[in-house]
Amino acid sequence: QVQLVESGGGVVQPGRSLRLSCVASGFTFSSFGMHWVRQAPGKGLEWVALISYDGSNKDYADSVKGRFTLSRDNSKNTLYLQMNSLRIEDTAMYYCARDQGAAGSWGQGTQVTVSS
Amino acid sequence: QSALTQPASVSGSPGQSITISCTGTSSDIGSYNLVSWYQQHPGKAPKLLIYEDIKRPSGISYRFSGSKSGNTASLTISGLQTEDEADYYCCSYAGGPYVFGTGTKVTVL
Repeated sequence: QVQLVESGGGVVQPGRSLRLSCVASGFTFSSFGMHWVRQAPGKGLEWVALISYDGSNKDYADSVKGRFTLSRDNSKNTLYLQMNSLRIEDTAMYYCARDQGAAGSWGQGTQVTVSS
Repeated sequence: QSALTQPASVSGSPGQSITISCTGTSSDIGSYNLVSWYQQHPGKAPKLLIYEDIKRPSGISYRFSGSKSGNTASLTISGLQTEDEADYYCCSYAGGPYVFGTGTKVTVL
């Protein structure tokens, strides 16, 4: 079955960087686009970014454009989210999800806390 | 990229049907057949219920159905059950980015 496992979250100071990973299994990773979606504590879902199956196309939410970078390594079935210049408002649970015309299967998330 | 508008809460009794609306614009819901709906129980990851406006993924109950008219999409839950009590979110492609709705808390009375 489809399994997505996020990692790399933690507590970081404003202005610093963090890289999240999402390891996929149970499906042909190289055939699917992948999303990142986040959820601040007690708040709703916010779409963050999408990368195409081969990494050639990427789209970002305005709130992270220029600070976050998506990449993937299909040989390792792994998706990455490089987060630079982190802000307090980036504090959230970050989920990766397989694209199927929507954010299909989801991982359990990794918590990112930006605090001084 | 303004969030899609959903009612904050909807409630119903077991066995009833409820409908959650999701209002967007001609730049998102009105332009693409790419509205999706998600269910999220407390402390859990969201689960896809509907994609491409009306399609149900394998394993999702027929009690969940999607529809759309103009810039407004809707999720109907028929035969409401206690386990349907959760938060529900719509989402639409917006020509590059995606945008989620504000979320609706469903309470089963």
